[in-house]
Amino acid sequence: AQSVTQLGSHVSVSEGALVLLRCNYSSSVPPYLFWYVQYPNQGLQLLLKYTSAATLVKGINGFEAEFKKSETSFHLTKPSAHMSDAAEYFCAVSDSGGGADGLTFGKGTHLIIQP
Amino acid sequence: DAGITQSPRHKVTETGTPVTLRCHQTENHRYMYWYRQDPGHGLRLIHYSYGVKDTDKGEVSDGYSVSRSKTEDFLLTLESATSSQTSVYFCAISESRTGKETQYFGPGTRLLVL
Repeated sequence: AQSVTQLGSHVSVSEGALVLLRCNYSSSVPPYLFWYVQYPNQGLQLLLKYTSAATLVKGINGFEAEFKKSETSFHLTKPSAHMSDAAEYFCAVSDSGGGADGLTFGKGTHLIIQP
Repeated sequence: DAGITQSPRHKVTETGTPVTLRCHQTENHRYMYWYRQDPGHGLRLIHYSYGVKDTDKGEVSDGYSVSRSKTEDFLLTLESATSSQTSVYFCAISESRTGKETQYFGPGTRLLVL
């Protein structure tokens, strides 16, 4: 079984400050990991994904994430927050071992940007 | 943007009534999924399909059924809606089995069961 834990249901940062959203996973096989963003009243949009190539993954809108196997983590960062980054962020894991289909999601982190 | 539409986008219904939500894709992707989103739970998989007439259960399938008679359409049915099924429902598609394949999401259907 696989699971995802996102630390902090709400994270507040000032505009221009570093954004750090935490994601830890549990998986019995090497995982594939995803970060999605959801703007109000919209569907989910892929920010970036880790598929066992480079451990540092760059995504859209200036976001990046680093896969750390020893820490079972895949934290999302952005050097400088912008007001438009305010949204809900979801970390998700899928099974690379040919197991159950579908993504297993974390509970989400609501990112608040203070002016 | 992936060509995924969901209908209706909003629905209010009463307990005990049947409800069908539709997901339509124009990408010709083989895999389709239904998730529900609830505060504090993230998204949870209800059912998925790996081809026409081929479906399987997800994590929270009780009270839901699905059908896929065409590649482009995936229907989610609540046979007898309950208040616990009030949620936002998302359809997703992927070209192949999840693994490292990206899932693309539709805009969602907001369902309120009174």
